[in-house]
Amino acid sequence: AQSVTQLGSHVSVSEGALVLLRCNYSSSVPPYLFWYVQYPNQGLQLLLKYTTGATLVKGINGFEAEFKKSETSFHLTKPSAHMSDAAEYFCAVSATGNTPLVFGKGTRLSVIA
Amino acid sequence: AAGVIQSPRHLIKEKRETATLKCYPIPRHDTVYWYQQGPGQDPQFLISFYEKMQSDKGSIPDRFSAQQFSDYHSELNMSSLELGDSALYFCASSLGRLGSQETQYFGPGTRLLVL
Repeated sequence: AQSVTQLGSHVSVSEGALVLLRCNYSSSVPPYLFWYVQYPNQGLQLLLKYTTGATLVKGINGFEAEFKKSETSFHLTKPSAHMSDAAEYFCAVSATGNTPLVFGKGTRLSVIA
Repeated sequence: AAGVIQSPRHLIKEKRETATLKCYPIPRHDTVYWYQQGPGQDPQFLISFYEKMQSDKGSIPDRFSAQQFSDYHSELNMSSLELGDSALYFCASSLGRLGSQETQYFGPGTRLLVL
């Protein structure tokens, strides 16, 4: 079985500051890991995903995440926050690419001018 | 690029009524997933289909049923609606090749309000 824990339901950063959203996973098999972003009243948009290979994954909008098996983590980072990054971010895990996603509770990112 | 289409986008129903939500996957995608996202909650998996057959089942109430048609679109049928069914319902599609690492692409969702 898979599960995801997102530390911090709400993170607030200043514009231009580092963004760090934490995600730890539990999986009985090698996991596939995803970060999705949800803007208000919109659907889920894929930011990036880890399947196999390189553990540092680059996504859209300047985001990246590093898969650390020893720490069972897949934290999302962005060097410099922009006002448009304010949204809800969900970390998700699946056993393969074709099984249902298990989502974390989400982290709401606020960016302060 | 074509995306997942869901209809309707908004739906208001009374308790005990029925509702049908439709999902049109990205062209060539053969796998459809349904998720339910309650207010302030994370999306919860309901059910999925691969090549018109149910592939996985999650926390879908017995009052709900779904199917995938020959053109790969899917419909979620909800009966005896309850207030607690008010939520955002997402459909996602992917290519379902066995052992592949395909991404699920989400539609914009249908917001259901049960009064």
